[in-house]
Amino acid sequence: DIQMTQSPSSLSASVGDRVTITCRASQGIINYLAWFQQKPGKAPKSLIYAASSLQSGVPSKFSGSGSGTYFTLTINSLQPEDFATYYCLQYNTYPWTFGQGTKVEIK
Amino acid sequence: QVQLVQSGTEVKNPGASVKVTCKASGYTFTQYFLHWVRQAPGQRLEWVGWINAGNGNTEYSQRLQGRVTFTRDTSASTAYMELSSLRSEDTAVYYCARVAPTDCSSTHCHSRFDDWGQGTLVTVSS
Repeated sequence: DIQMTQSPSSLSASVGDRVTITCRASQGIINYLAWFQQKPGKAPKSLIYAASSLQSGVPSKFSGSGSGTYFTLTINSLQPEDFATYYCLQYNTYPWTFGQGTKVEIK
Repeated sequence: QVQLVQSGTEVKNPGASVKVTCKASGYTFTQYFLHWVRQAPGQRLEWVGWINAGNGNTEYSQRLQGRVTFTRDTSASTAYMELSSLRSEDTAVYYCARVAPTDCSSTHCHSRFDDWGQGTLVTVSS
């Protein structure tokens, strides 16, 4: 199985900050990668697919980049509603696998 | 608007089976895939598999292969996930998600997760 490793596992940031989360794949996945946001007790919400394509309705302060084995999710100007856990998902090879998550907390 | 409404909480004994329902509305059911994703308490998300709501084709995570079955009823716009021989480690919230294949190459498509159900808690305990 392809292992997806996110870093950091958690971070503290202030409202207005820019944060970047990385996701590394144990083997190349081209750009078959998605990013999700999940708040406690809620279903995930899709942010990005194809590594850098913004899901409809998602604000442009979210952006994704990368290819091969290294990917990033950047959130500009953090707002209170952005504090959540973020997951990457590779869908290049079965079984599809998620990263362990990055919890973004308020400083 | 699109809605995926899942069935309610289940409590099962080890060795039993559970069937979770995902009722879709607000879109053409047969034009999308339905994926199942689960999340054990405090753990990462885990992909379980998908069903093509149009032709009924399925793909399962090998980790659950042999114990999980996806079906759908197109007349009811409803998808089902049945998990058998339940173990304590199957305790999790199970989500269904509507997924659109997009930007397809000759061999592969990107998957766009458009909507999610609210989740169904399945607890396996004696």
